[in-house]
Amino acid sequence: GQQVMQIPQYQHVQEGEDFTTYCNSSTTLSNIQWYKQRPGGHPVFLIQLVKSGEVKKQKRLTFQFGEAKKNSSLHITATQTTDVGTYFCAGIQGAQKLVFGQGTRLTINP
Amino acid sequence: GAGVSQSPSNKVTEKGKDVELRCDPISGHTALYWYRQSLGQGLEFLIYFQGNSAPDKSGLPSDRFSAERTGGSVSTLTIQRTQQEDSAVYLCASSLYPSGTQYFGPGTRLLVL
Repeated sequence: GQQVMQIPQYQHVQEGEDFTTYCNSSTTLSNIQWYKQRPGGHPVFLIQLVKSGEVKKQKRLTFQFGEAKKNSSLHITATQTTDVGTYFCAGIQGAQKLVFGQGTRLTINP
Repeated sequence: GAGVSQSPSNKVTEKGKDVELRCDPISGHTALYWYRQSLGQGLEFLIYFQGNSAPDKSGLPSDRFSAERTGGSVSTLTIQRTQQEDSAVYLCASSLYPSGTQYFGPGTRLLVL
């Protein structure tokens, strides 16, 4: 079945450093979504990418969808303590259910 | 408007007891998902409802777990004969359509003693 792999599982950075998490699918995806879960909270939708090669930005966050629509990345520039949390990607193939990656847990040293 | 709600927010039970967890999705959302999240871990898919289609139960860890969705709205996740390893946060999410944005509820934190 469809699988979505996400790396790294954990990332610890100094405040101000950049951070990137990567998402790879075994199959071509219709779209990819990114979510953020703050400690003690529930996942909250960040963005959706649909087009091959699409790049979207939200302030310091840059999201990319690969040309083959099988991979995606989230890059945070100059991390801040408010960026702490777990970032999940989720992909869907056709009309099937959304499948989540394992998440990347980001911790930041102020 | 109202988001996804779940009840109870916390549940403490004894090993061997049955528990029922409730999810009220956003009105009009056709897709409903249940996930389990252990401390510091990712989202473990349990079950997926889409419209009137047969649910995708492929993620249920054992036959002690079951779920239903009545009238295409409220869903109940039932765990029979709870075990200590069932302790986790159970999250419900709904979306307008299968590939749409998922809106998560606050979760039910289950502790089995």
